[in-house]
Amino acid sequence: GDSVTQMEGPVTLSEEAFLTINCTYTATGYPSLFWYVQYPGEGLQLLLKATKADDKGSNKGFEATYRKETTSFHLEKGSVQVSDSAVYFCALTRPMDTGRRALTFGSGTRLQVQP
Amino acid sequence: GAVVSQHPSRVICKSGTSVKIECRSLDFQATTMFWYRQFPKQSLMLMATSNEGSKATYEQGVEKDKFLINHASLTLSTLTVTSAHPEDSSFYICSARDWTGNQPQHFGDGTRLSIL
Repeated sequence: GDSVTQMEGPVTLSEEAFLTINCTYTATGYPSLFWYVQYPGEGLQLLLKATKADDKGSNKGFEATYRKETTSFHLEKGSVQVSDSAVYFCALTRPMDTGRRALTFGSGTRLQVQP
Repeated sequence: GAVVSQHPSRVICKSGTSVKIECRSLDFQATTMFWYRQFPKQSLMLMATSNEGSKATYEQGVEKDKFLINHASLTLSTLTVTSAHPEDSSFYICSARDWTGNQPQHFGDGTRLSIL
């Protein structure tokens, strides 16, 4: 079945450091890929997405590129802020024609940014 | 943008009671809603898929008589945890997708359920 593997956290960085959170996936066909962010005590917010190979999703300084050859969707940000401290989830969903539209999530990676 | 409202945000109740959680799509019609459960410091696990006007589809290992799901309209799905016990304590999150299925899921803010 489908699966998403994320690097374990927590990831602790100083403010303005470069961030990479690795994500790889296993799925048949061409899934859509997402990064969601969860702030403490809240639900999930969509951060960015990519729906086909070589697409780059970007939002709020974060970006991730859909790499079909390496089945990866690593999240990056050039300069993190304290306000970026949260849990980040990589997720995928199958193409529409499979009939299954729920998201499959990775285990989540907690990011802690220190001033 | 699209908003999903989940209520209540937090519930504390005694063992044996039933708890209802509501998930509403505020500005779009959600033919499909999903219910997830999140254990502390873990990922979200899909519990069931709720389709408007039909029975929910439960994931393997999820007791349908324990977790009753009703999706009576295009904007409301409810999850009722029946005869709740301490092991049911968790963070429950709903999400909704519009009828086209072309947009990403929009998530509610979650409900933290604590059973004493």
